[in-house]
Amino acid sequence: DAEITQSPRHKITETGRQVTLACHQTWNHNNMFWYRQDLGHGLRLIHYSYGVQDTNKGEVSDGYSVSRSNTEDLPLTLESAASSQTSVYFCASSPGGLGGYNEQFFGPGTRLTVL
Amino acid sequence: GQQVMQIPQYQHVQEGEDFTTYCNSSTTLSNIQWYKQRPGGHPVFLIQLVKSGEVKKQKRLTFQFGEAKKNSSLHITATQTTDVGTYFCAGRLSSNTGKLIFGQGTTLQVKP
Repeated sequence: DAEITQSPRHKITETGRQVTLACHQTWNHNNMFWYRQDLGHGLRLIHYSYGVQDTNKGEVSDGYSVSRSNTEDLPLTLESAASSQTSVYFCASSPGGLGGYNEQFFGPGTRLTVL
Repeated sequence: GQQVMQIPQYQHVQEGEDFTTYCNSSTTLSNIQWYKQRPGGHPVFLIQLVKSGEVKKQKRLTFQFGEAKKNSSLHITATQTTDVGTYFCAGRLSSNTGKLIFGQGTTLQVKP
């Protein structure tokens, strides 16, 4: 069955370290998204991509970067982890090209703690 | 920037009572989606509303999209313990974007 996976599921790191969170989907979806979830803020968009070699900044992109070298993967990198980046991170994907009226399918999430 | 506000943030109800969560956008939306997240889980798509004034039902859940396409609501009739979770609305500003703007979510607790 097609799915979307994230790894690791839990990560503890230290301030200043570089961290990469993986997201992999097997639906062949063009659109992929990274969100962070914090109490009282809902889901906030970090970065998104509409296809290979396409990346765009979301509302809370500072300190994060993504790259899209193939359809299946959108890794999220924290260049120099900060305690404010302690959060639960969700990856999502949706079919179609630009826009469309498609639902987003979410991965299981990665809980990141920055000490 | 564009915002989608959702109220209330928390709601505790007795099993069998009704529940409503409201979503308001500062700008007109192309469409709106609703998601449910169970405790410890990930958001799961429930429904999408596209047309002005649209009403859709899924068993005990009723979803409405306002006439001005700036607000929406989710009403659950006779809540059950299986309804526990956080409900998010997510608005799309135009049909040319895949981005969604999520509300803060309403967390529903149901006392048996």
